[in-house]
Amino acid sequence: GEQVEQLPSILRVQEGSSASINCTYENSASNYFPWYKQEPGENPKLIIDIRSNMERKQTQGLIVLLDKKAKRFSLHITDTQPGDSAMYFCAASAGTQVVGQLTFGSGTRLQVYA
Amino acid sequence: NAGVIQTPRHKVTGKGQEATLWCEPISGHSAVFWYRQTIVQGLEFLTYFRNQAPIDDSGMPKERFSAQMPNQSHSTLKIQSTQPQDSAVYLCASSLRGGDEQYFGPGTRLTVL
Repeated sequence: GEQVEQLPSILRVQEGSSASINCTYENSASNYFPWYKQEPGENPKLIIDIRSNMERKQTQGLIVLLDKKAKRFSLHITDTQPGDSAMYFCAASAGTQVVGQLTFGSGTRLQVYA
Repeated sequence: NAGVIQTPRHKVTGKGQEATLWCEPISGHSAVFWYRQTIVQGLEFLTYFRNQAPIDDSGMPKERFSAQMPNQSHSTLKIQSTQPQDSAVYLCASSLRGGDEQYFGPGTRLTVL
């Protein structure tokens, strides 16, 4: 199976600064890496993803980087705002033909303070 | 697009009772996934259907848990003889083909007393 490690578990940053969350995976067959944001009492919401044919993807203040050699991927939130405070989960999935389930990291609680 | 629909949103059962959770995937999505979320274990995969066929149930506890997808518009997760350790939020997700973006429903919070 797959194992996904996520760090840090808690991240406190000042409003306007950047926040970075790092994940590593074990299965070299993993080829899809989504990031989810979950607010209290809500379901996880997909915010950005990257596939193994890319090294970098950016959308609306979010940047994801993928290093396949190191089996590492990361989420970078630029210019953080209080509304970015939430739990963030990374995940990995291996394949589109046979296996599609996501293996999640343990989550990062991001707190953005003024 | 109503998104993934899950019912009920909350369910309380007594130990030993049965619980059935329902999921309606996004229209046109052929893959349905069930996950369980707890504070201790985090988000865990349970089982996965594609075009109504069971593909992988490796995350399902071997006893008491079963899942079905009788038609393309709904899937059920049944837990027999519920135990307190089954208390969790059960999340259903759907995707267009499986291996694509997965969109989660609001979840069913199961509490076993």
